[in-house]
Amino acid sequence: EAQVTQNPRYLITVTGKKLTVTCSQNMNHEYMSWYRQDPGLGLRQIYYSMNVEVTDKGDVPEGYKVSRKEKRNFPLILESPSPNQTSLYFCASSLRGDRNNEQFFGPGTRLTVL
Amino acid sequence: QKEVEQDPGPLSVPEGAIVSLNCTYSNSAFQYFMWYRQYSRKGPELLMYTYSSGNKEDGRFTAQVDKSSKYISLFIRDSQPSDSATYLCAMIPPTRGADSNYQLIWGAGTKLIIKP
Repeated sequence: EAQVTQNPRYLITVTGKKLTVTCSQNMNHEYMSWYRQDPGLGLRQIYYSMNVEVTDKGDVPEGYKVSRKEKRNFPLILESPSPNQTSLYFCASSLRGDRNNEQFFGPGTRLTVL
Repeated sequence: QKEVEQDPGPLSVPEGAIVSLNCTYSNSAFQYFMWYRQYSRKGPELLMYTYSSGNKEDGRFTAQVDKSSKYISLFIRDSQPSDSATYLCAMIPPTRGADSNYQLIWGAGTKLIIKP
């Protein structure tokens, strides 16, 4: 089944404890992206990747890191999480990064930082 | 002022009713408009994608764009309990070329409840 998977689905952690949220897609997509979703604010892009080893900042990149060493994986790293990073996170992928390609979303990771 | 405004709801209607969901936007240069559906505990999925003004129909769903009013709508006919979800509108700003990364501008979503 073609899909985007994220792990973990739920995570509660404490301020300053480094964490990684994994994202993997099995559709051979070039483009991958991370979003956070907060009540009343909609989805905001954190980072995106047009292809392997090509990443760039989105709207809200502060406090996050990403890497794209393989086409299928795009992990999101929080080096020192803070409570304002408590949110619902979505990974998405599309065949390519232009507007003619539909983005497919993962199921989400709900992160709570205490 | 947000670039895209969307009433968060919830909007509760009886099964079989016609539903109208709306978004307004401030940037008259937007040309690509989308509606996503998001079920509880799931990621958004693309429902409708329209370019410029006019209507687009797909089964029970109709997307309408009125660029003169900077207003887009999604109509659902013969609504079903399975249509209960949050509906998000999204738009693409015309800041980059067609082949480059595009950044979606999202509404906050309207929660829709269809009562059996």
